[in-house]
Amino acid sequence: AQSVAQPEDQVNVAEGNPLTVKCTYSVSGNPYLFWYVQYPNRGLQFLLKYITGDNLVKGSYGFEAEFNKSQTSFHLKKPSALVSDSALYFCAVRDRPGDMRFGAGTRLTVKP
Amino acid sequence: DAGVIQSPRHEVTEMGQEVTLRCKPISGHDYLFWYRQTMMRGLELLIYFNNNVPIDDSGMPEDRFSAKMPNASFSTLKIQPSEPRDSAVYFCASSLTGGAWEQYFGPGTRLTVT
Repeated sequence: AQSVAQPEDQVNVAEGNPLTVKCTYSVSGNPYLFWYVQYPNRGLQFLLKYITGDNLVKGSYGFEAEFNKSQTSFHLKKPSALVSDSALYFCAVRDRPGDMRFGAGTRLTVKP
Repeated sequence: DAGVIQSPRHEVTEMGQEVTLRCKPISGHDYLFWYRQTMMRGLELLIYFNNNVPIDDSGMPEDRFSAKMPNASFSTLKIQPSEPRDSAVYFCASSLTGGAWEQYFGPGTRLTVT
């Protein structure tokens, strides 16, 4: 069965510093990997996805993610964090239509 | 595009009452998903539809929960009777067919059962 793990409940970074939110996955076939962000009292918002091709995927708001097949990871990154990036981030995997599995979420706090 | 629309945004009801949550997916999307989010259990998939047909309802917690999709532009999630442990935020999401397509989420309905 497919699954994702987000090993950190909480990530704290200072504004202007690079940030990384970690995600590892487990899937039997070729994975489709996604990152979503959730701001307070809002629904999940799509950030980026990996389907195939270049291992470095660029998404919204300056975020990017690196697909690493050997380490089964798909970490979310941003070179310079903003206070407004503070939110809850979810990694998800989908290996067939309809069956998307979300991680438990990582709360990112960016301090001024 | 208006995105996924959910109503009501907030619902407060008493234990034992029937609750109906509503969702309008993005036009043209043929998958529709219902999720529940709580602090304790995170984001749980309850049920999803493809072309208005329920495909997997294994996440529906009990027979008190039911979902329908009478047409491509409308779905309901009903809880009858409601219980305090049903208090959560319920999200509807839609996507195009195929595994590569991301899901688009509605703003959610915050349900409080007293």
